[in-house]
Amino acid sequence: GENVEQHPSTLSVQEGDSAVIKCTYSDSASNYFPWYKQELGKRPQLIIDIRSNVGEKKDQRIAVTLNKTAKHFSLHITETQPEDSAVYFCAASEFYFGSGTKLNVKP
Amino acid sequence: GAGVSQSPRYKVAKRGQDVALRCDPISGHVSLFWYQQALGQGPEFLTYFQNEAQLDKSGLPSDRFFAERPEGSVSTLKIQRTQQEDSAVYLCASSFQADNQPQHFGDGTRLSIL
Repeated sequence: GENVEQHPSTLSVQEGDSAVIKCTYSDSASNYFPWYKQELGKRPQLIIDIRSNVGEKKDQRIAVTLNKTAKHFSLHITETQPEDSAVYFCAASEFYFGSGTKLNVKP
Repeated sequence: GAGVSQSPRYKVAKRGQDVALRCDPISGHVSLFWYQQALGQGPEFLTYFQNEAQLDKSGLPSDRFFAERPEGSVSTLKIQRTQQEDSAVYLCASSFQADNQPQHFGDGTRLSIL
């Protein structure tokens, strides 16, 4: 089956800085890569997703890049704000999630 | 409109008891997923339904775990003879169509086995 690895496990940035979270996957047949934000005690919420027919997608301060050859994809958050603090999960297809990155944005 | 609803939010059971967790997906959503999330970990896939058909149950950890969606809407995850390692948050998600669509998650059921 698919194996998704996510790094780093924790990330601390200053407000206004950028944050980058990276994931790798093993199954070259995977073609859908969503990212979820989960605040403490709450449900995961989709923040952005990308399909394998594009290499990059942006939505305001959030962007995702995909390198199919290397089988890795990344989440980029620019101009971070304290409310971005949460745990972020990548996924390869609907079924396989990374272990999460706890992002702390310091005011 | 209503999102994915799970009940109960919290469940405490003694080891050896059976438990049943309920998921009400968004109306009209074809796909329904169950995940197990241990503390500090990502969701681990358990099983997947497309309408009433259980298409994948490869993630169920043992034959003590059973899921159903008899009318293609509400789903129930049942755990028999619970054990302490079953303690986790059980998340349900639904999506409008099949195959690689954005999922809408419920708040989960936090199960504690004493």
